[in-house]
Amino acid sequence: DAGVTQSPTHLIKTRGQHVTLRCSPISGHKSVSWYQQVLGQGPQFIFQYYEKEERGRGNFPDRFSARQFPNYSSELNVNALLLGDSALYLCASSPEVGGAGEKLFFGSGTQLSVL
Amino acid sequence: DQQVKQNSPSLSVQEGRISILNCDYTNSMFDYFLWYKKYPAEGPTFLISISSIKDKNEDGRFTVFLNKSAKHLSLHIVPSQPGDSAVYFCAAPPYTGNQFYFGTGTSLTVIP
Repeated sequence: DAGVTQSPTHLIKTRGQHVTLRCSPISGHKSVSWYQQVLGQGPQFIFQYYEKEERGRGNFPDRFSARQFPNYSSELNVNALLLGDSALYLCASSPEVGGAGEKLFFGSGTQLSVL
Repeated sequence: DQQVKQNSPSLSVQEGRISILNCDYTNSMFDYFLWYKKYPAEGPTFLISISSIKDKNEDGRFTVFLNKSAKHLSLHIVPSQPGDSAVYFCAAPPYTGNQFYFGTGTSLTVIP
């Protein structure tokens, strides 16, 4: 079975541009979360979606938005890119939300560089 | 507010010896902990977990110990192998809300 897939793997943008990152969860997983990882730091929570509804949002500005589609895939959008948005963006899926022993299954990430 | 902390950014160990990676947490509401392993250019992969009702969980060469009174957990890898060289994150799932809390990671290098 395919794991979590993310596209693109690498992306270079300039300040002020907009970017869309895509994620397909593991088949059967209904929850998708997005995390940002800056080098030397742990993943930081951006969003969680479950059954197409936003279930949680981390401490990120409104320039960050996301959505989940009926097939449970998801997009993360970032507007008005800043240099500080350069990071590895990780998508993670899980079968449900909040169950005992919940764990996240991560994709390989999208490395975003903002110049 | 860093609720899960890994104070050692890096660790080097000789092949065959024990690797001990440490993690501290501040929130006593956490009742379940996970360790993830991350290779360069890959996403984190789940390694091992422990529930707060246990003080030890073992899976092959990997053992996680939990000391709730000290709010401390550790991952032991015995014997260490070069393929274990990676960044290790400890994490705690949401007790309320939706975010997992991750430590900053420890980069383990196993020297052949």
